[in-house]
Amino acid sequence: AQSVTQPDARVTVSEGASLQLRCKYSYSATPYLFWYVQYPRQGLQLLLKYYSGDPVVQGVNGFEAEFSKSNSSFHLRKASVHWSDSAVYFCAVSITSSSFSKLVFGQGTSLSVVP
Amino acid sequence: NTKITQSPRYLILGRANKSLECEQHLGHNAMYWYKQSAEKPPELMFLYNLKQLIRNETVPSRFIPECPDSSKLLLHISAVDPEDSAVYFCASSPWGTTNERLFFGHGTKLSVL
Repeated sequence: AQSVTQPDARVTVSEGASLQLRCKYSYSATPYLFWYVQYPRQGLQLLLKYYSGDPVVQGVNGFEAEFSKSNSSFHLRKASVHWSDSAVYFCAVSITSSSFSKLVFGQGTSLSVVP
Repeated sequence: NTKITQSPRYLILGRANKSLECEQHLGHNAMYWYKQSAEKPPELMFLYNLKQLIRNETVPSRFIPECPDSSKLLLHISAVDPEDSAVYFCASSPWGTTNERLFFGHGTKLSVL
């Protein structure tokens, strides 16, 4: 079955430190992968997406992610986090079935950036 | 994101009937209802593409979607249950295809007494 796993439910980092949020996917075909961010009391917003080509994709606000087919992973990274990055981050895979497609989300990683 | 508006923002109900509304101003053809329970990821409930319901996830029959035109989406709920307490997000995308990003509204937080 197609699925997305985010092994870390909560991550705490110091402001200015680097960040990696992990994502593993399980999908038989070529995956379309996304990272979304959810700030408190808001809907999800797209950070970045991967379809094909260069395995490292750039997103908004200094985020990037690296796709690895061999590891079935799509980890999110940022070189230096800011307190405003505190939010919940969701990895997602887009699944196609007959005439429609849908996003399947991981459980999310809650990021807290501390002084 | 003011391009997808949802109303009401908060809803507190006993065992009543109520409708959630969504309108998108992006010219998209595909619209979705997602349910997000506390500390869970969003889960797809319904998908409309060009006003046609093409996917109906296994949700309780008390949830009835309606798409009066391509920019509007309604979710009618009858006799809500405590397990229905969640945030309901409306989302849209241009054509409902695999490689598209979704645009989400702010959500309607439903609390069932």
